Amino acid sequence: GENVEQHPSTLSVQEGDSAVIKCTYSDSASNYFPWYKQELGKRPQLIIDIRSNVGEKKDQRIAVTLNKTAKHFSLHITETQPEDSAVYFCAATGSGGYQKVTFGTGTKLQVIP
Amino acid sequence: ETGVTQSPTHLIKTRGQQVTLRCSSQSGHNTVSWYQQALGQGPQFIFQYYREEENGRGNFPPRFSGLQFPNYSSELNVNALELDDSALYLCASSSGILQETQYFGPGTRLLVL
Repeated sequence: GENVEQHPSTLSVQEGDSAVIKCTYSDSASNYFPWYKQELGKRPQLIIDIRSNVGEKKDQRIAVTLNKTAKHFSLHITETQPEDSAVYFCAATGSGGYQKVTFGTGTKLQVIP
Repeated sequence: ETGVTQSPTHLIKTRGQQVTLRCSSQSGHNTVSWYQQALGQGPQFIFQYYREEENGRGNFPPRFSGLQFPNYSSELNVNALELDDSALYLCASSSGILQETQYFGPGTRLLVL
């Protein structure tokens, strides 16, 4: 089955700096890659997603890049703010005729004011 | 916030008991997926329901079962509860089974004593 690895597990940045989180996946048939932000005690919320026919997608301060050949994708957050502090999960949707979403292990991002 | 709701919000059970968790999908969504999220980990896929049929299953034993109703709401049933079943149970709804964005409910936190 699909395996998603995520790095780093924790990340501390100064407010205004950029943060980068990287993920790799194992199933070359995976074709949909969402990123979720989860604040303590709350539900995961979709922040951005990318499909396999696109190499990069940007939404204001957030961008995601996908390298299908290398089977890795990354989340970039620019001009970080304290409210960006949360746990971020990458995920990959594998093959099989149903939407089994495999999540990474999470990155705890701390933005220091 | 999404239109996905779950009940109850919290639940305490003892080992060996049975539990039923409920999920109402977002309007217009016909697919519900269930996830188990242990503390400090990413969500793990349990199974997915599409148009009232189970449409895929993760690595969970048969004592985890589910239903989807004609209005696309769903139930997760867990029999013979074990201590390791203590977790946050999340449901997510989507408008289809392929490359569709999943929107999560707030979760049910289950504690098994």
